[in-house]
Amino acid sequence: LAKTTQPISMDSYEGQEVNITCSHNNIATNDYITWYQQFPSQGPRFIIQGYKTKVTNEVASLFIPADRKSSTLSLPRVSLSDTAVYYCLVGPGAYNTDKLIFGTGTRLQVFP
Amino acid sequence: GAVVSQHPSRVICKSGTSVKIECRSLDFQATTMFWYRQFPKKSLMLMATSNEGSKATYEQGVEKDKFLINHASLTLSTLTVTSAHPEDSSFYICIANGIEGYTFGSGTRLTVV
Repeated sequence: LAKTTQPISMDSYEGQEVNITCSHNNIATNDYITWYQQFPSQGPRFIIQGYKTKVTNEVASLFIPADRKSSTLSLPRVSLSDTAVYYCLVGPGAYNTDKLIFGTGTRLQVFP
Repeated sequence: GAVVSQHPSRVICKSGTSVKIECRSLDFQATTMFWYRQFPKKSLMLMATSNEGSKATYEQGVEKDKFLINHASLTLSTLTVTSAHPEDSSFYICIANGIEGYTFGSGTRLTVV
């Protein structure tokens, strides 16, 4: 499983766009990139997953360059409730049976 | 969507006692259950992987006799922390893997006093 590197923490203000970049230089051809969000004392929850280019859903966008060695999670117009830890994971897609390896995650703090 | 019910959400126990944590998959079969531990402001660390009907596979450094895992059915897996000590205080999370992919439990905050 490819190792991921993310910033330990980020600060933002309400209404701003937040971009969190994850490096995964050793990503394999069949690996997908998945982002999870975790609030204190709760289990992580799925945010978005992608393989290449751009993926967008109702809460975030995921940008993946052509070489796939990094990815950027974009949260538009964050609110206080987006304060959480965000994990980037790389693995062979959602429907495999491999264990999930969590990196350090990025602790996002949103200020009013 | 798929849901994993994890109980209890919080538990406080005395040192030396045992605590059982349950993860139950609702409306789907969890062929594999992963158990994680998370210390404050740290990431999730995999403790063990269990498949229904077989013995769990423990990660290096995790004591299998202390953290007993049972996965007797496709909808229920349990983690028992035996002879708990204050250093076992942590947040425990199960992640089920089934036909719909990964489903996360809500976590159990264990405090050993």
